Amino acid sequence: AQKVTQAQTEISVVEKEDVTLDCVYETRDTTYYLFWYKQPPSGELVFLIRRNSFDEQNEISGRYSWNFQKSTSSFNFTITASQVVDSAVYFCALRGRNQGAQKLVFGQGTRLTINP
Amino acid sequence: DSGVTQTPKHLITATGQRVTLRCSPRSGDLSVYWYQQSLDQGLQFLIQYYNGEERAKGNILERFSAQQFPDLHSELNLSSLELGDSALYFCASSADPDRGTDTQYFGPGTRLTVL
Repeated sequence: AQKVTQAQTEISVVEKEDVTLDCVYETRDTTYYLFWYKQPPSGELVFLIRRNSFDEQNEISGRYSWNFQKSTSSFNFTITASQVVDSAVYFCALRGRNQGAQKLVFGQGTRLTINP
Repeated sequence: DSGVTQTPKHLITATGQRVTLRCSPRSGDLSVYWYQQSLDQGLQFLIQYYNGEERAKGNILERFSAQQFPDLHSELNLSSLELGDSALYFCASSADPDRGTDTQYFGPGTRLTVL
């Protein structure tokens, strides 16, 4: 069975601090896909990134960066120089490739609060 | 804006009633997914359709049913509603779930309150 664990329930930092959100996953699939979604206070789920299991390159997009390590089954998300607009609940998710495994399995989410 | 639309945005109803939630996928997307977000269960997968056919089921209650129509929009029907069904219901769509580059994009959700 697939499982995603986000051990940090809530994080609160002051603006401009760097913050890392942890994500650990479990799967028996050799091919799988990892995702991060953002849920701002307005409630919608916004796609941030997808990473394939065979691509361990880290990715940077502006102030956002992602560190994928298969050896530790982790896919962590770092926000550099955080801003108040980054306040949201962030979800890590996992899906398989085959039919029947294409649903997203979500972690419990990390509520991030950026204080001015 | 993800391109996925859901109606209604809010729904308040009473126990025992039946409601229908509607979802229109992004243009060109063949697959639709329904998820339920509640405080105690988090985000849970309910059901997936692909080009009109049911493809996968999660822990969807027997009181719940869904379908995807020829124009690819989908409806989720919830009947004999209970207080515990109060939640945010999301629809997501994706172009081709058999491809590794596939990504699910979510609609704004329907917030259901059962009184």
